[in-house]
Formats: sequence, C-alpha cells, structure tokens
Amino acid sequence: DSGVTQTPKHLITATGQRVTLRCSPRSGDLSVYWYQQSLDQGLQFLIHYYNGEERAKGNILERFSAQQFPDLHSELNLSSLELGDSALYFCASSAPGPYGETQYFGPGTRLLVL
Amino acid sequence: DQQVKQNSPSLSVQEGRISILNCDYTNSMFDYFLWYKKYPAEGPTFLISISSIKDKNEDGRFTVFLNKSAKHLSLHIVPSQPGDSAVYFCAASAGGTSYGKLTFGQGTILTVHP
Repeated sequence: DSGVTQTPKHLITATGQRVTLRCSPRSGDLSVYWYQQSLDQGLQFLIHYYNGEERAKGNILERFSAQQFPDLHSELNLSSLELGDSALYFCASSAPGPYGETQYFGPGTRLLVL
Repeated sequence: DQQVKQNSPSLSVQEGRISILNCDYTNSMFDYFLWYKKYPAEGPTFLISISSIKDKNEDGRFTVFLNKSAKHLSLHIVPSQPGDSAVYFCAASAGGTSYGKLTFGQGTILTVHP
C-alpha cells in the first residue's frame, strides 16, 4: 500500500459525458502528479500540482483539467469524453529527496468510455 | 520521440537465477532514474532509484547500475523469485522546470518460472 488513494476504482460512462477522478496523496506529500496509461502507450505524464499550484503540464488535452485543493487532494476532470479516453488513470504523490523526487502511485482508476 | 526505451518486451528466467532488465535513454538532462514494478490492475510500485552522480545502488535483492556515457541503466534481481513476475518500468526525470516529471519506458514483462 503506497498510501495514495484514488476513487473510483472503475468508471464506465458514455461518449460526451464528463467525469471526475479523485486522488488523495500520502500524508505530508505536497506534490500530486497525474498519468494516463492506455493500451497502446505506456504511462504518459499529464499534469503536476504542488501545494495547490500547477507546476507542469504534459500532453494533457484541453478537455481535461485538474486542480489541487487546500487539503492537498486533487481532482482530474475529463469532459466531452471520447472512446479514446478509455485508459487507466494514475495519480502519484512525492516528496523531494536528496537526489530527486520518488513518486508513489495510487491503485488507479480504470475508465471505460462506451 | 521516445526518450526512455526498454527494448525487451519480455524476459523469462528460472527461479533462483539472475534477472537483468535493461533501459536506454536519450535525454542527457535526465539525472534521476527509477524502477517500478507493476501487477495487472494495480498502480506501479517503487523499487529502487539512482542518481546520476552514482553508478550503482543496491537494496536487498535489487541492484541498479547506471552507465551515463552509454545512457544505459539496468536492474539486476538476484535471486529471482516467482513473486517477481510482473511488468517492470524504468523511468527518468530531469531537473529544472521538468523537476519531478517522470518519463517512462514501455515496460518489460518478467516471468520467473519455479
């Protein structure tokens, strides 16, 4: 158990809909990262928040947005869903170390868009 | 442009023997490298990391070697156990504005036979 929690575990929805994925980081971690893992691609970085502020963006679609709240939990909002958005969505939290940040991943949310 | 590559999609090893998983990278700005293990339907689990200022890091049965001139790292598991069967991802991060963002390889499926 990494200490990172994600809800829901599974989500089935229809094209055009909007969903919200939730992530609670490990106690004390200020950073939250979101990643997408689809069948034909590896883990792709989406976005990074640190203590409520957006720090970096990867290949995140404009239909997707995220935020981190004062209690440090984060939500990833996916709107106007398409079939190709079906994937595993992971969040990770981290704390800086002497050489770099080690990210600890949650169990993921499996999204299926029908 | 795949900056982190794991060229072996799969590896099969006998229990008790050594497993060697390889990873190559192209971005010379990467300065922190990590290995993760992933079971189906679970999030990646952190195994071991190495900074670019070192060439070896050891933790129990796991050792990571880094060859900066060749832009190559490897994970050695000795002795291999059936419970090690999983997908192994290497990941890399760079400093500056990319600090913390992980770039993942495509993964190697390790199967350890009893």
